[in-house]
Amino acid sequence: DADVTQTPRNRITKTGKRIMLECSQTKGHDRMYWYRQDPGLGLRLIYYSFDVKDINKGEISDGYSVSRQAQAKFSLSLESAIPNQTALYFCATGRRGLEGYTFGSGTRLTVV
Amino acid sequence: QQQVKQSPQSLIVQKGGISIINCAYENTAFDYFPWYQQFPGKGPALLIAIRPDVSEKKEGRFTISFNKSAKQFSLHIMDSQPGDSATYFCAAFSGYALNFGKGTSLLVTP
Repeated sequence: DADVTQTPRNRITKTGKRIMLECSQTKGHDRMYWYRQDPGLGLRLIYYSFDVKDINKGEISDGYSVSRQAQAKFSLSLESAIPNQTALYFCATGRRGLEGYTFGSGTRLTVV
Repeated sequence: QQQVKQSPQSLIVQKGGISIINCAYENTAFDYFPWYQQFPGKGPALLIAIRPDVSEKKEGRFTISFNKSAKQFSLHIMDSQPGDSATYFCAAFSGYALNFGKGTSLLVTP
């Protein structure tokens, strides 16, 4: 099994719909991150969490919300999806003192 | 604004050649500089990383060169192979999260 699992792998949704992307990890890491990848723009940080009670906005948090249900689970929600949120979304985990992340395989989201 | 600037955007190298990707940063608080490799359909995977107290780190065919005074670092891939064809991202750690460059698409031709 993968260390960092993202579901779904692919999703097509309509404008205005609410959608949740889920991430779970078996690494035992305390830190979890959501990034968005767009062609030519690299990976941009949406939200990050250092533990269940610590949630922080990244550089592009507008239009997104997150929930850290447990140390191993971190969900990203789009309350009202819009077409420019079409992108590849990655969850990553890390821990204090170990700056390298472990990434999931990504969720490809298309908003039509 | 982009805190880590990466170039070139794309690179084509012949098998056996040297691939060089460059990155520059402004924030002197960055204290960890990894490179990630991403294949289509996969998440980025940590390739090699360096801290600013070291000027060079080598792992197999992959070398990071780090110039603290110029605030630049680069990835060198020696004896490039077609299997190295992927997207490469440089990044810098700010104390709470990694800041990524925009990526370089590398194609190694046979």
